[in-house]
Parts: sequence; structure tokens; C-alpha cells
Amino acid sequence: KQEVTQIPAALSVPEGENLVLNCSFTDSAIYNLQWFRQDPGKGLTSLLLIQSSQREQTSGRLNASLDKSSGRSTLYIAASQPGDSATYLCAMFSGGYNKLIFGAGTRLAVHP
Amino acid sequence: NAGVTQTPKFRILKIGQSMTLQCAQDMNHNYMYWYRQDPGMGLKLIYYSVGAGITDKGEVPNGYNVSRSTTEDFPLRLELAAPSQTSVYFCASSYLQIDTNQPQHFGDGTRLSIL
Repeated sequence: KQEVTQIPAALSVPEGENLVLNCSFTDSAIYNLQWFRQDPGKGLTSLLLIQSSQREQTSGRLNASLDKSSGRSTLYIAASQPGDSATYLCAMFSGGYNKLIFGAGTRLAVHP
Repeated sequence: NAGVTQTPKFRILKIGQSMTLQCAQDMNHNYMYWYRQDPGMGLKLIYYSVGAGITDKGEVPNGYNVSRSTTEDFPLRLELAAPSQTSVYFCASSYLQIDTNQPQHFGDGTRLSIL
């Protein structure tokens, strides 16, 4: 059974710190992977989508990498801000039709 | 630009009642999905549709039904509500493009409690 695991489950950091969120998956034949942000009581906002042929994608202060050989993806957030506080979910595409398998998420709190 | 719209936002049901969760998208996306999210967990796929008239089961379909009569709408029906169906339900849609994945776009969710 394909699974996606995110560590840590929760993280609290001071403002300005650079941080890394981890995502691991069991399917070595992974095609592509998507990172989302979820604010409390809200839906999911797509942050980055990494194709399997790419090693990383960048958007502003966010950088996501994909290492298929080790079954891992990381989301790097530079110079964290209180507005970055949210739950971050990674999901791998699996089984066609853009279907996703989700991890349980990392709940991030950035305090001033 | 509405994107994916879900109604209602909140609902409380009694055990055994039925209801339909509505989902509509205005992006002309082929693919639509229903997920449920339990506290502290990731999202699990209930049903999905690849176009009008075509639906298929996801990981956790028991207790639910769907239909897709138009490209825009993808309602999810609970026939006999059970406490185990207390959850947050998300609808999503994505564009079809051959040979590559496209990102899914999500609604704000429906918070459902079965008492």
C-alpha cells in the first residue's frame, strides 16, 4: 500500500528562522508530488508541484526538492514569518487521473 | 473567479438522516474529487470523476454515493448518516493534460457532524 509520511507532525520556530519540512513516500516509481498549505478552517492552497523529472521547484521563499531514489521530498522555507503559520501537506500523484495520496501534514507555528 | 465552491459550510445531522454535499467548479475542469479529512490526518479520497457521467471509487467509498451529470457539478450523497462520517469534506478539481499531472484546486470544505 502506498503511503506518505510527514515528519515532524508539529513544529514551532521563532520568526526569521530557515526551516525544512520532510515528506517520505513508499512508492519508488512516484511520478509527481504536490505541496499544499492549509489554514485553520480553510481548504488547501497549492504551493508547488514537482514533476518526477525535476529535482526542485521554487516560489518566492519556498523551495521544494524531490529525491526519488531515497523516497523523500523536502519543503524549505526561508526567513520564516508569522504569516507562514499553517499546516503543510505533501501529496504524491498515484494511479492516474491526477489522484493524490496525502500525508498527515506538519503543523507549523512561527512566533514573533 | 469563484474556483471550487462547496455548500453548506457547516451541517449537523442526526444518525440515519441523509443529505447531499454540493460542489461546483467554474474552471471547466474535467476531473473532480471528494475527500474527507479526519482530525490530525491527511485527506482520503472518497470518489472521483473524470468527466460528466463517469465516476469511480476512491479509497473510502462506503456509505457515500456520487453523480456527475454536468462538467461543473459533483454532489456527494450520504444516505444513512453514521457517527463515523463526522469529518471535514473537501471537493477538488483539476485540469486534464495528457502526459503530465496538473495541480488540484480545493474548495473551503464542509464541516459535518453526525450526532
